[in-house]
Amino acid sequence: AAGVIQSPRHLIKEKRETATLKCYPIPRHDTVYWYQQGPGQDPQFLISFYEKMQSDKGSIPDRFSAQQFSDYHSELNMSSLELGDSALYFCASSQGRLGRVEQFFGPGTRLTVL
Amino acid sequence: SQQGEEDPQALSIQEGENATMNCSYKTSINNLQWYRQNSGRGLVHLILIRSNEREKHSGRLRVTLDTSKKSSSLLITASRAADTASYFCATAFSSNTGKLIFGQGTTLQVKP
Repeated sequence: AAGVIQSPRHLIKEKRETATLKCYPIPRHDTVYWYQQGPGQDPQFLISFYEKMQSDKGSIPDRFSAQQFSDYHSELNMSSLELGDSALYFCASSQGRLGRVEQFFGPGTRLTVL
Repeated sequence: SQQGEEDPQALSIQEGENATMNCSYKTSINNLQWYRQNSGRGLVHLILIRSNEREKHSGRLRVTLDTSKKSSSLLITASRAADTASYFCATAFSSNTGKLIFGQGTTLQVKP
């Protein structure tokens, strides 16, 4: 079965650089979520989209932005990177946004900021 | 964590034994989901239990939910070395758009 695809899988950036993470949801899934997991931490919700509109926002820094495109893939744009942004970034997708269905996670993008 | 506690934080057992992990949360939920994460890897969805359900099974997994105590437990029976991983519970709240709030996780080690 098709899974959530994330790219790149690994990314190394310098402080103050920008990064773009991509997420391709499971086919026919209309909702995308982004989570950040720091070392030894639990995943923290960043932002979500339903039918290309932002549906919820969590602890996402103003330096980050995201959007969902017409083909339902999503991109997380991160600017002015800081050392503390080093983390695993997960994308998850689901069919429907009402919190009643399973969310399936991608393999994650490991971002290292030097 | 915004949600609550997972207990224990770490668990070490022998292959063949059962492993029980507990999760507590703070507010009303729509459903609770359990995930497994191998070290530094992706989150694998294990099971979803809805707020009107009390118990659910999937293979060697048994999940219970007690909404009066705002707690859930995950039981893995006849554990295997391959079950070694971190296990997270995550809650979807009643009036939200589906975002999951994760617990701190339990690290399970199954010794062969």
